[in-house]
Amino acid sequence: NAGVMQNPRHLVRRRGQEARLRCSPMKGHSHVYWYRQLPEEGLKFMVYLQKENIIDESGMPKERFSAEFPKEGPSILRIQQVVRGDSAAYFCASSPNREIYNEQFFGPGTRLTVL
Amino acid sequence: GQQLNQSPQSMFIQEGEDVSMNCTSSSIFNTWLWYKQEPGEGPVLLIALYKAGELTSNGRLTAQFGITRKDSFLNISASIPSDVGIYFCAGQNSGGSNYKLTFGKGTLLTVNP
Repeated sequence: NAGVMQNPRHLVRRRGQEARLRCSPMKGHSHVYWYRQLPEEGLKFMVYLQKENIIDESGMPKERFSAEFPKEGPSILRIQQVVRGDSAAYFCASSPNREIYNEQFFGPGTRLTVL
Repeated sequence: GQQLNQSPQSMFIQEGEDVSMNCTSSSIFNTWLWYKQEPGEGPVLLIALYKAGELTSNGRLTAQFGITRKDSFLNISASIPSDVGIYFCAGQNSGGSNYKLTFGKGTLLTVNP
């Protein structure tokens, strides 16, 4: 039973480019959460999605950031026109349902470096 | 927003020693979680605490949910080299946004063999 998968593991972008981060939840999980970790910081909640629905995006910057979790395929976190401050590790977590909310299983993360 | 203060920031210990770290919050949480993160990986859940005063063990790890619901500690007994990593506490509220985890900044643990 594969865990949460994220790709790419490392992504380098120049300022102004777009970054697309992908997350495949664990099998049977329909709830996905994205967190951002800045260097030497804890993880910070960004967005919570269910299939085809954004439930809570209160932790995501209003501009340049968007997330989706389509009916088929992985969840995507998209950052347009990246800036140096976007450099961070982005983690995706999934859970089977909202009732067992504490069991969020994390993926290995995508380390984004903006040059 | 809610913040967790986690201490110490880092620890350097000898193999076999016991370790203690804690988290405090200015507000109440209904669940406390402890995670371990190794380099290049995502956090892995170690212990979950659901009730004030609860004391829970997982092998050499023991964690407690403070009775005020504003703090928690994690103890590691008889440390071994593979305990190296960053340990994060995380709090979770009840209610509508109970899915959000609020993380501390982490305690970096180094174990000298």
